[in-house]
Amino acid sequence: NAGVTQTPKFRILKIGQSMTLQCTQDMNHNYMYWYRQDPGMGLKLIYYSVGAGITDKGEVPNGYNVSRSTTEDFPLRLELAAPSQTSVYFCASSLRDTNTEAFFGQGTRLTVV
Amino acid sequence: AQSVTQLDSQVPVFEEAPVELRCNYSSSVSVYLFWYVQYPNQGLQLLLKYLSGSTLVKGINGFEAEFNKSQTSFHLRKPSVHISDTAEYFCAVKGTNAGKSTFGDGTTLTVKP
Repeated sequence: NAGVTQTPKFRILKIGQSMTLQCTQDMNHNYMYWYRQDPGMGLKLIYYSVGAGITDKGEVPNGYNVSRSTTEDFPLRLELAAPSQTSVYFCASSLRDTNTEAFFGQGTRLTVV
Repeated sequence: AQSVTQLDSQVPVFEEAPVELRCNYSSSVSVYLFWYVQYPNQGLQLLLKYLSGSTLVKGINGFEAEFNKSQTSFHLRKPSVHISDTAEYFCAVKGTNAGKSTFGDGTTLTVKP
C-alpha cells in the first residue's frame, strides 16, 4: 500500500502562473482533503470531498479549485498564483466513519515568486 | 462547530525528562480527539486517538493522553523523551456527527541532549 501520494514534492511558480497539485490514494477512502500549512498557523482546510463527484469548500478556498472524478484522485488547481499561496500543501484521506483518523501525504512545498 | 487551542507553541525539554503538551477544545457536540505527529519534511501521522471508554489513551512511541470532559482538555504526555521525539505535534477534534477534523496550530517539541 502506497497510502496517499502527492506530486510534485517541490515547485517554484512565478506570479500569475497556474499548476495542478496531484493527490492519489489507494486505500479506497471516501473522504479526501486538501490543507495548507503555514509556519505557526497549523493546518487550514482548503477543500474537501466526501466521494467521487462531490466537493465542498473549506476555510480558505479562494484561489483554488478541485475536482473528484474518481475515488482515488483529488487534484488541487491553482489559477493565477500569488505570493500568498506560498505554503506547504498536504493532501489527506479518511474513511467515511467519523471515528477514523486521516492519512496524510508527504506534502508539496510551493513557492510563488 | 469546534475549535482547538494548543496552549504552547514551543516546548523545549532535555532528553529523558517528562513532557506534557496541552490541548483544549470546544464543541457543541460530542467529539473524537486525536494527536498527530509531524517529523521534519514529512506528513502528519497518528499518535493516538480517543473515541470512548477509558479516558487514558495509549499511543505509539510511549505517548499517552488523558481526556478530561469537564475541562475540555486532551493533554499529551510522555514520561521520558528521546531526541527522536523532536517534532511538531497537532491536536485535532472531530464531531461525532461530522467527517472533517479541526486542527490546532501545533506545538513544536524540541528535545535537547
